[in-house]
Amino acid sequence: GAGVSQSPRYKVAKRGQDVALRCDPISGHVSLFWYQQALGQGPEFLTYFQNEAQLDKSGLPSDRFFAERPEGSVSTLKIQRTQQEDSAVYLCASSLETSGSTDTQYFGPGTRLTVL
Amino acid sequence: QKEVEQNSGPLSVPEGAIASLNCTYSDRGSQSFFWYRQYSGKSPELIMSIYSNGDKEDGRFTAQLNKASQYVSLLIRDSQPSDSATYLCAVIVISQAGTALIFGKGTTLSVSS
Repeated sequence: GAGVSQSPRYKVAKRGQDVALRCDPISGHVSLFWYQQALGQGPEFLTYFQNEAQLDKSGLPSDRFFAERPEGSVSTLKIQRTQQEDSAVYLCASSLETSGSTDTQYFGPGTRLTVL
Repeated sequence: QKEVEQNSGPLSVPEGAIASLNCTYSDRGSQSFFWYRQYSGKSPELIMSIYSNGDKEDGRFTAQLNKASQYVSLLIRDSQPSDSATYLCAVIVISQAGTALIFGKGTTLSVSS
């Protein structure tokens, strides 16, 4: 595809529900990143994949958050037992090289999650 | 302590003026710095990257880096209403956990016509 795509664009969940957010990176991009952006804040790093390997998950806020990229392309961020504080925009970004975060990251449009 | 600090603004400038956006960071080992622009409801878009001390110019944009002062800035010359957006400063931070791109909260710029 032409850019990073994410789905769904909007998700409303009742507190306690599980949600799954999908990211399709730019074709051929090795590195994939997930960020959480609360209203009025900058994006906060959640986790990073190089191909299928999750090299850094230090930003995941709790064990309710889980991310995977089983075939080194599409990634899914799963949030179990959602809480109101999980309400945010979840951004996915990809970059071409394997140099971690130093390469230019291209962001998807984000998924806006609202937990009621 | 937040690793990347920006004044949240809003910064208001008239059309045609120079807008100056500032950012400080706490990790002395950081070597890579980025400025992203984010329009309301949209995703961040990279506009400048800088890795060496000094100035880097790209069209109407100039990024300035001073590693000794842990300071990076973005100047926008001949500001246009279309420049009105939130500007995010981002810094690579390397820790035991890995390498991460750390963002500031962003500075909101408003250019009036």
